[in-house]
Amino acid sequence: KAGVTQTPRYLIKTRGQQVTLSCSPISGHRSVSWYQQTPGQGLQFLFEYFSETQRNKGNFPGRFSGRQFSNSRSEMNVSTLELGDSALYLCASSFRTSEETQYFGPGTRLLVL
Amino acid sequence: QKEVEQDPGPLSVPEGAIVSLNCTYSNSAFQYFMWYRQYSRKGPELLMYTYSSGNKEDGRFTAQVDKSSKYISLFIRDSQPSDSATYLCAMSHGGTQGGSEKLVFGKGTKLTVNP
Repeated sequence: KAGVTQTPRYLIKTRGQQVTLSCSPISGHRSVSWYQQTPGQGLQFLFEYFSETQRNKGNFPGRFSGRQFSNSRSEMNVSTLELGDSALYLCASSFRTSEETQYFGPGTRLLVL
Repeated sequence: QKEVEQDPGPLSVPEGAIVSLNCTYSNSAFQYFMWYRQYSRKGPELLMYTYSSGNKEDGRFTAQVDKSSKYISLFIRDSQPSDSATYLCAMSHGGTQGGSEKLVFGKGTKLTVNP
């Protein structure tokens, strides 16, 4: 079974631009979560989608948004990029509503100049 | 106080050593405890998953949860150079109807096993 895939793998943007990252979960998984990973803060939860609805949201500004499609694929968008948004963005998928085991993709490394 | 505390290391051990990795937490509502391993430039991969207190063994890996002390551990026996990675603990309250509860992660401990 194919794992979680994320595109693109690497991205360079400048301040003020916006970016869209994509995540395809493991086949059959309906829950997709997004995380930001930085050396200083570690892994921080951004939001979680299940059946096209946002179920949980972390403490990030409104510039960070996401959505999920009917095939469970998910995208996250960051508008008005800041230097501090440089990070590894990880997507994780899980199977059912009460499933706690999350499987991570390889991440998208974003560099904001 | 952060919800989950984990010593970032780095930790360097010789091949064959027993490695002990630990996390403490403050939220007594956590019920699910996980250890992830993350190699450089890769996403985290699930190593161990436990519910509530107790021990769980899988090959060279043993996870321990002590809810009374709010303390979890991961032991690696006969460590190998291929175990060199960052190890992250994670925990959650439990699944809610309609979606998974978010995981709270430690910052990770970087482990190097020297041949």
